[in-house]
Amino acid sequence: DARVTQTPRHKVTEMGQEVTMRCQPILGHNTVFWYRQTMMQGLELLAYFRNRAPLDDSGMPKDRFSAEMPDATLATLKIQPSEPRDSAVYFCASAGTGLPYEQYFGPGTRLTVT
Amino acid sequence: GENVEQHPSTLSVQEGDSAVIKCTYSDSASNYFPWYKQELGKGPQLIIDIRSNVGEKKDQRIAVTLNKTAKHFSLHITETQPEDSAVYFCAASSGGYQKVTFGTGTKLQVIP
Repeated sequence: DARVTQTPRHKVTEMGQEVTMRCQPILGHNTVFWYRQTMMQGLELLAYFRNRAPLDDSGMPKDRFSAEMPDATLATLKIQPSEPRDSAVYFCASAGTGLPYEQYFGPGTRLTVT
Repeated sequence: GENVEQHPSTLSVQEGDSAVIKCTYSDSASNYFPWYKQELGKGPQLIIDIRSNVGEKKDQRIAVTLNKTAKHFSLHITETQPEDSAVYFCAASSGGYQKVTFGTGTKLQVIP
């Protein structure tokens, strides 16, 4: 049963600390998305990659957030330094090429910055 | 960019009744409209989608309608069941189906 995995599932950290979230997309999927979900803003697209190349990261605060795909099986989202307003659930999703255009979401990382 | 509005934000229905969620979009070039269901503690999951060359699509108790002229689309759930309780998101995509803009979500509660 192919699925997207994310680690850690929960993270509590203090303001100013670095946070790294990891995502393993479904094998064979070539597009990876990072979303942030909060009660106030809903689901926001932070960045997405196709064939490991960043296509759009306009939704991401560039001064503290960075996203990379070191290889086809790993995507990372890093926040440095973290702030309380970064508290949210971060989802990774992956999609294959062509039809259907379904995005498969991981279970999310719940981040709390105190 | 695309802007998707979704209503209502919360919806309570009695088990067996129908539920309707409505969305509007701003970009007339949008041509793909998926609907996702998010259960508590999980990531969203695609339940149905429609493309701009189709006006309506049905899958068992779920149906979607699209009005391109008015730029709105709707999700209809008939004979609702308690397991339909979740948050539902509409979305729209243009110029490369994979990137979508999500609506703000509708929390559906089905009362047994």
